[in-house]
Amino acid sequence: DAGVTQSPTHLIKTRGQQVTLRCSPKSGHDTVSWYQQALGQGPQFIFQYYEEEERQRGNFPDRFSGHQFPNYSSELNVNALLLGDSALYLCASSSSGVLGYTFGSGTRLTVV
Amino acid sequence: DAKTTQPPSMDCAEGRAANLPCNHSTISGNEYVYWYRQIHSQGPQYIIHGLKNNETNEMASLIITEDRKSSTLILPHATLRDTAVYYCIVRVAQYNFNKFYFGSGTKLNVKP
Repeated sequence: DAGVTQSPTHLIKTRGQQVTLRCSPKSGHDTVSWYQQALGQGPQFIFQYYEEEERQRGNFPDRFSGHQFPNYSSELNVNALLLGDSALYLCASSSSGVLGYTFGSGTRLTVV
Repeated sequence: DAKTTQPPSMDCAEGRAANLPCNHSTISGNEYVYWYRQIHSQGPQYIIHGLKNNETNEMASLIITEDRKSSTLILPHATLRDTAVYYCIVRVAQYNFNKFYFGSGTKLNVKP
């Protein structure tokens, strides 16, 4: 049973560029949440998607946007990248009736 | 969701029990206590969760005080592979609603 799959695992972007990160949830899960984790800090909640809609959002600017597809997979888009966007981006999936989240291994984004 | 307080770091000898404390003095009656751990640069891994009663699984035990204002995660026989950052989280039991609030966690160093 595959867990949460994220791609790519690493990437390097230049300031001002745009990036798309992808997440496939664990089989049977229908909700996807995205977190940003800066070096040495705990993960910070970005937003959550359920039934292809953004249901909750953390304290992140509109440069951060997302999408959920009918197969429950999700994308995180970040526009106009800043150096401060360099971080590990984590995707977590969950499902109604299941307490807790399953996390992926993350995408390491470096902005230069 | 209630916030948690954990010591920034702890040391433990290999083979000994590791006891990781967590304070959650503002926890509400319907909030669960979750523990996750994160091994360097990987996604957080679920360990255990509980509401009122003590819980045990193959990984660890969770002891929750009677007033529920604090808890302790116990790794009965720590190994070098248990070296990680351990996060204590409280959240409302609304299944896939709401986000996890991660603090800074406790860095557990298991030493030979």
